[in-house]
Amino acid sequence: QVQLQESGPGLVKTSETLSLTCTVSGGSVNSGTYYWSWIRQPPGKGLEWIGYIYYSGSTNYNRSLKSRVTMSIDTSRNKFSLRLSSVTAADAAMYYCARISGWWPNIYFDFWGQGARVTVSS
Amino acid sequence: DIQMTQSPSSLSASVGDRVTITCQASQDIYNHLNWYQQKPGKAPKLLIYETSILETGVPSRFSGSASGTDFTFTITSLQPEDVATYYCQQSGTFGQGTRLEIK
Repeated sequence: QVQLQESGPGLVKTSETLSLTCTVSGGSVNSGTYYWSWIRQPPGKGLEWIGYIYYSGSTNYNRSLKSRVTMSIDTSRNKFSLRLSSVTAADAAMYYCARISGWWPNIYFDFWGQGARVTVSS
Repeated sequence: DIQMTQSPSSLSASVGDRVTITCQASQDIYNHLNWYQQKPGKAPKLLIYETSILETGVPSRFSGSASGTDFTFTITSLQPEDVATYYCQQSGTFGQGTRLEIK
């Protein structure tokens, strides 16, 4: 059974860069069968897809966040990461990593991490 | 971009009731529509993918169907443990969510 676990600072200052890592166990990020994704959820609100990364390093980001998002993958450590620059209060959210099955755009998120709460302070 | 319109935004029903949630796509997405359940304080959980395929371990009271660009998620007999928010999803777009409560 695949398991995903987010980690990273829970508090980020306004205008700085949010950095999170997702560690995958029970499966390999080096598999060409899946994509690896980040999704966020502001308090009391719905889900927003941030983007995905493929084992090859190719990425696809949500257009609304594209200018501030960078994703990377470390196949040797079975991890992938998210960086979101120039954060504001609007970036405060629960951040989930998830595995994607299917082939873009016909995909679904079949395994999720438990989430990492990120607060933005001035 | 394809827009997904999910309704209702909230719903209250009694144990044993049949519950229906709908999601309308702004254009043809064939059968590429998925449904998730999110219980309070938990990560979303995939219930149904490709319109009607139940994820392994999901109870059979959950089902999905489609008619053109209209997609339907149904719980045939609502149980107390079904209290959650439900989301549809297509590609990188999620519906707005439906909060389901017990009367």
